[in-house]
Amino acid sequence: KAGVTQTPRYLIKTRGQQVTLSCSPISGHRSVSWYQQTPGQGLQFLFEYFSETQRNKGNFPGRFSGRQFSNSRSEMNVSTLELGDSALYLCASTGQGEKLFFGSGTQLSVL
Amino acid sequence: QKEVEQNSGPLSVPEGAIASLNCTYSDRGSQSFFWYRQYSGKSPELIMFIYSNGDKEDGRFTAQLNKASQYVSLLIRDSQPSDSATYLCAVLGQNAGNMLTFGGGTRLMVKP
Repeated sequence: KAGVTQTPRYLIKTRGQQVTLSCSPISGHRSVSWYQQTPGQGLQFLFEYFSETQRNKGNFPGRFSGRQFSNSRSEMNVSTLELGDSALYLCASTGQGEKLFFGSGTQLSVL
Repeated sequence: QKEVEQNSGPLSVPEGAIASLNCTYSDRGSQSFFWYRQYSGKSPELIMFIYSNGDKEDGRFTAQLNKASQYVSLLIRDSQPSDSATYLCAVLGQNAGNMLTFGGGTRLMVKP
């Protein structure tokens, strides 16, 4: 069974640009969550989608948005990038039960 | 603010010893508790989960939960150098969907 797939693995952007990250969950999993990981703040919850609906949202500005498609694949978008957005962005999928399985992440560097 | 606290370490133990990792949480309504292992440059990997008070064992790993004290721990028996990683405690609150609150992690170093 394939795991959670995130693309791209690495991204370099400049301030003011926007970026879209993609996540394909484990087959059969309908919940996708996004987390931001930085050395200073650790792992912080961004949002969760279930059956194409945002179910929970963390404390991030509106520049951070996401969506989920009918095949459970999810994308997150960050607009007007800031230097502080440099982080590892992790996607996790959940099936029945509450166990989250993480993808390899997208390492975003904002210059 | 719902918080999960861990000692950042590093926790250094000799090979073959028992490593004890601790975590406290503030939300009394928390229902489920997870331990993730994260190697440097890699993503978190789920190694243990526990829902009820008491101990849960899986191989060399034992998770312990005390809801009255709002305390979760992870014991690693017969520690190996390959166990050297950061261990993240994560807590799921009531009615939180799948929104986990993570501690800052404890870095474990197992010395040969």
